[in-house]
Amino acid sequence: KNEVEQSPQNLTAQEGEFITINCSYSVGISALHWLQQHPGGGIVSLFMLSSGKKKHGRLIATINIQEKHSSLHITASHPRDSAVYICAVRGSGGSNYKLTFGKGTLLTVNP
Amino acid sequence: EPEVTQTPSHQVTQMGQEVILRCVPISNHLYFYWYRQILGQKVEFLVSFYNNEISEKSEIFDDQFSVERPDGSNFTLKIRSTKLEDSAMYFCASSGWQGANGYTFGSGTRLTVV
Repeated sequence: KNEVEQSPQNLTAQEGEFITINCSYSVGISALHWLQQHPGGGIVSLFMLSSGKKKHGRLIATINIQEKHSSLHITASHPRDSAVYICAVRGSGGSNYKLTFGKGTLLTVNP
Repeated sequence: EPEVTQTPSHQVTQMGQEVILRCVPISNHLYFYWYRQILGQKVEFLVSFYNNEISEKSEIFDDQFSVERPDGSNFTLKIRSTKLEDSAMYFCASSGWQGANGYTFGSGTRLTVV
């Protein structure tokens, strides 16, 4: 069973700051996902990673498979980035292709 | 961009009643999932469905739960006799082959059992 830990649980930043959210997991995976959840609850996929680094606009996601660790960075943060950011992992092998979720990081960006 | 559609967005039901949550997955996706999120907690896996049968289910998915793909487009989650602790946000998701190219989530159904 994979355990997914995120830190910090809560993060408050000022507009323009550089944000880092961390995720670690306990068992080998086939892919790691970063997801965004806004108030009201809908879940939106941001990134899927199996190695290296991906960038989309002001968002950057990295993963270190050997260390079982991933980070999500937001450059030049903006109040509209305020949301819960969730790390989720997809298992490897067999029929284990469901996602296991972390508890999420609540990000608040103040103007 | 293709979407996963869930209905209703909110449902209030009395304890002991049956509820059916509906989902329309992305049309060319093969795998379908239900997840739930109790208020303030993390999202939890309930069940995955492929080729018209359950491929995996969690300990949460006991005999009061069932899933069905009745007509080739809808994917439903039935809770037979709701309990207070079934109150949660229920998310449907779909994916291509084993989720290898990612997952698309619906907006969720907020179920409140009173």
